[in-house]
Amino acid sequence: DGGITQSPKYLFRKEGQNVTLSCEQNLNHDAMYWYRQDPGQGLRLIYYSQIVNDFQKGDIAEGYSVSREKKESFPLTVTSAQKNPTAFYLCASSIGDRPYNEQFFGPGTRLTVL
Amino acid sequence: QKEVEQDPGPLSVPEGAIVSLNCTYSNSAFQYFMWYRQYSRKGPELLMYTYSSGNKEDGRFTAQVDKSSKYISLFIRDSQPSDSATYLCAMRYSGGSNYKLTFGKGTLLTVNP
Repeated sequence: DGGITQSPKYLFRKEGQNVTLSCEQNLNHDAMYWYRQDPGQGLRLIYYSQIVNDFQKGDIAEGYSVSREKKESFPLTVTSAQKNPTAFYLCASSIGDRPYNEQFFGPGTRLTVL
Repeated sequence: QKEVEQDPGPLSVPEGAIVSLNCTYSNSAFQYFMWYRQYSRKGPELLMYTYSSGNKEDGRFTAQVDKSSKYISLFIRDSQPSDSATYLCAMRYSGGSNYKLTFGKGTLLTVNP
């Protein structure tokens, strides 16, 4: 049963703490992405990775970090430097990096900073 | 001016109505146009995908792209309560190294039985 999994579904963090969101895919996709969704804002790209051991910043990378050590995994760390981290985080993957390659989304992680 | 504009709604229609959802955009470099459906607290799923101008039909859904007007539409015929969701338009450039999807803010649709 192929797909994208994200964990945890809900995450609570105290101010000043770093947290890591998990994203795993078994679709054998090369490209992976992290988006942030805020109410009334649509989706905004945080980071993307076209291939293992390589990643690029998106539009709102400040306060976030990623790694891509394995093809199937693309974890996102929300650091204490992110000023407003409460949001819905979505991971996506695509078979390649061409514009016509469909991006498949995971179920999301809702992060709340207390 | 934002690159992609989408009326956030909310839009409420009776079951069986024809629904029209729209986005406008400012950058003529966009060549690939998509509509995603997102149920509450879930990830988006791709509904329709079109390249350049024209129409594309899939069951009750029709996507239209008018590049001359920088305007895209999604029509839903015979709408059902199960169509109640947020609909997001998204666009992508055709060339270069830009892999980013640029999204509209989404339109919340409710279909009432």
